[in-house]
Amino acid sequence: DVKVTQSSRYLVKRTGEKVFLECVQDMDHENMFWYRQDPGLGLRLIYFSYDVKMKEKGDIPEGYSVSREKKERFSLILESASTNQTSMYLCASSRTPQNTEAFFGQGTRLTVV
Amino acid sequence: GEDVEQSLFLSVREGDSSVINCTYTDSSSTYLYWYKQEPGAGLQLLTYIFSNMDMKQDQRLTVLLNKKDKHLSLRIADTQTGDSAIYFCALDGSSNTGKLIFGQGTTLQVKP
Repeated sequence: DVKVTQSSRYLVKRTGEKVFLECVQDMDHENMFWYRQDPGLGLRLIYFSYDVKMKEKGDIPEGYSVSREKKERFSLILESASTNQTSMYLCASSRTPQNTEAFFGQGTRLTVV
Repeated sequence: GEDVEQSLFLSVREGDSSVINCTYTDSSSTYLYWYKQEPGAGLQLLTYIFSNMDMKQDQRLTVLLNKKDKHLSLRIADTQTGDSAIYFCALDGSSNTGKLIFGQGTTLQVKP
């Protein structure tokens, strides 16, 4: 079974802190994604990566950056956390750009106070 | 860009059928997916349909695709309380990047 693991289930951070959310997948998938989930808005794509050191902006990249130094690991960085970044963050991976079935981590609920 | 719409809430009684609907604007998707999210968890793939199919059945789940009307539906037969969750439709669109575009999610409430 494909496993996508996010480093934390719950995080509480202070406004202005730099926050790292880590995601690891164990099936050699090329694509990795970070989504944000808010009630009534569904999943919105923040950033995605289709190869090591490659990244593309999604629909809502402002206030976020990402890092993919190794194929299995994709990190989401909040440079200076703000209260409007309080949300559920979901990491996903898929095999290739053509094989689009996505496998999700369990989610990280981030609260910025 | 692609727009995917779902109604936000559906309530049914245990044992009834549930039908969750999804409409979309871009007809170039190859795969159309249904994901389920239980409380406090990530999303898990329920089923999918290839764009050249009209229907797919998988045990209690039936997926219908009407390409002319750009309408996708998920029918759950004999709905159980364990089916209470948020259901998302997702399309792979035309970008060929592997991105999925998600609807807002439909919360299914199953009453005993």
